Amino acid sequence: NAGVTQTPKFQVLKTGQSMTLQCAQDMNHNSMYWYRQDPGMGLRLIYYSASEGTTDKGEVPNGYNVSRLNKREFSLRLESAAPSQTSVYFCASSEGGHQPQHFGDGTRLSIL
Amino acid sequence: QKEVEQNSGPLSVPEGAIASLNCTYSDRGSQSFFWYRQYSGKSPELIMFIYSNGDKEDGRFTAQLNKASQYVSLLIRDSQPSDSATYLCASLGVSGSARQLTFGSGTQLTVLP
Repeated sequence: NAGVTQTPKFQVLKTGQSMTLQCAQDMNHNSMYWYRQDPGMGLRLIYYSASEGTTDKGEVPNGYNVSRLNKREFSLRLESAAPSQTSVYFCASSEGGHQPQHFGDGTRLSIL
Repeated sequence: QKEVEQNSGPLSVPEGAIASLNCTYSDRGSQSFFWYRQYSGKSPELIMFIYSNGDKEDGRFTAQLNKASQYVSLLIRDSQPSDSATYLCASLGVSGSARQLTFGSGTQLTVLP
């Protein structure tokens, strides 16, 4: 009963490096989301995918790209990492509509 | 800009007491509201959600919604030390092609044994 699975759980990068955060859900949900959480600032939406084949920008999309690979998988890419992108990244999924979102365990990313 | 405001706390209550967590939101178009619990270093966990004005009870938890005042609250009865966590309030509104959650910054609750 995995729910939402994120990989990796921890990562340290150097400024300018690139990486992709992976997210997969096994609940047959239509919608998927990427958030970042910084101390004192709550969760902020980076990108979302309302359904397979669609992606849209959230509140803080700059410096990120996403791919909805299929209904299960939604990845987040940092093309050229910057120290300001040091954060905890959460992936979430939901049925859509008014249904609640369910979160993965997060990826703790540090950029030096 | 849509906002959800919470008192950051910390809020301390003795074991067995009622903990009251409050939240206000700015988007009058929001129709659904959610409370998540987040333990330190962990991911947010859904506690309750509410769509209609009034109260909704689930075990020791009661969510209250007043759309006219744009106010949401969470009551935790018989608080336990295991309830010590950060509680996130979120409102669901429409932006772009989908409904999106806007989160408050959270209220840190400590239940003292």
